[in-house]
Amino acid sequence: AQSVTQLDSQVPVFEEAPVELRCNYSSSVSVYLFWYVQYPNQGLQLLLKYLSGSTLVKGINGFEAEFNKSQTSFHLRKPSVHISDTAEYFCAVSRLGGKLIFGQGTELSVKP
Amino acid sequence: EPEVTQTPSHQVTQMGQEVILRCVPISNHLYFYWYRQILGQKVEFLVSFYNNEISEKSEIFDDQFSVERPDGSNFTLKIRSTKLEDSAMYFCASIPETVTDGYTFGSGTRLTVV
Repeated sequence: AQSVTQLDSQVPVFEEAPVELRCNYSSSVSVYLFWYVQYPNQGLQLLLKYLSGSTLVKGINGFEAEFNKSQTSFHLRKPSVHISDTAEYFCAVSRLGGKLIFGQGTELSVKP
Repeated sequence: EPEVTQTPSHQVTQMGQEVILRCVPISNHLYFYWYRQILGQKVEFLVSFYNNEISEKSEIFDDQFSVERPDGSNFTLKIRSTKLEDSAMYFCASIPETVTDGYTFGSGTRLTVV
């Protein structure tokens, strides 16, 4: 079975500062990894995904994530955040065709 | 860009009533899912559907829940007798044969049971 742990429930950060949202997973089989963003009162939007190949994945809105197999991590980073990045961020894992399993979410709050 | 469409966006129902939540997945997608998010909590898997049958379901998906793909385009979630604790945001998602483009989610239906 797979599981996902997001290590921080809330991350406050000032505008234009860098941010890292941490995600660790556990699985006995190869998995695909995802980050989704949820803006207030909206649905889930795919930020980026890792399926195979290069371990550094670039997504939308200037976000990137690095897959680290030895540390079973998939941390999300952005070098300079904007007020508009304020949202809930979910890390998720799946097997091919299988269900997505989500972490508990990290609330990113960007302050001016 | 293709979208997953969910209706209604918000539904209020009385405890004990039946509700049907509707989803129109992307037309060439083959795997379909329902997820639930109780306010302030994480997104939880309910059920997956492939080749016109349930492929996996969670402990939450008990006999009160059912899914159907009645006409090849709609994908519905029925709750037979709603409870207060069924109040949540329900998301539909779909993927094609492979997950290369990620799971596409609808914008959700907020179900409020009173």
